[in-house]
Amino acid sequence: AQSVTQLGSHVSVSEGALVLLRCNYSSSVPPYLFWYVQYPNQGLQLLLKYTSAATLVKGINGFEAEFKKSETSFHLTKPSAHMSDAAEYFCAVRTYNTDKLIFGTGTRLQVFP
Amino acid sequence: EPEVTQTPSHQVTQMGQEVILRCVPISNHLYFYWYRQILGQKVEFLVSFYNNEISEKSEIFDDQFSVERPDGSNFTLKIRSTKLEDSAMYFCASKGGTANSPLHFGNGTRLTVT
Repeated sequence: AQSVTQLGSHVSVSEGALVLLRCNYSSSVPPYLFWYVQYPNQGLQLLLKYTSAATLVKGINGFEAEFKKSETSFHLTKPSAHMSDAAEYFCAVRTYNTDKLIFGTGTRLQVFP
Repeated sequence: EPEVTQTPSHQVTQMGQEVILRCVPISNHLYFYWYRQILGQKVEFLVSFYNNEISEKSEIFDDQFSVERPDGSNFTLKIRSTKLEDSAMYFCASKGGTANSPLHFGNGTRLTVT
């Protein structure tokens, strides 16, 4: 069975600082990995996805994530936080033999001026 | 940009009542889903629907739940007899015709069972 663990339910950074949101996965077969963002009162928006091509994946809004098989990780980063990045971020995993996404518990990112 | 729309945004119902949550997926999409998020918990998969039938469902999706695509544009989730623990945000999602197409989520319907 697949699972996702997001370390840190809350992360706070200053505007302009590095953003690092952690995600570790567990999967018995090669995974597809995703990061979604949820702004208040909105649905889930896809930031980026890994589907077994390049291990460094670039997404929208300057975010990127690196798939590291040896560490079973797919951490999300952004070099310089912006106030508009404040939101809830969800890591999710899926495998080729299922159509359902398994989500992590989410990390709420706060950005201070 | 086309989007998934869900109505209503908030529904309050009494325990034991039937509710229908409505979704209009993106028009050329072929795969449809319902997920839910109980307050403070993970987003959980409920069901996937393709070619007018359920393709996969979770253990949460018991006999009290059903889905339907009645007219080629709407995709509905029915809860036959609501329980307090059905209170959650329900998200509809759809995707195009390939396995790696991204999921597009609606803004959700917040269901409150009293």
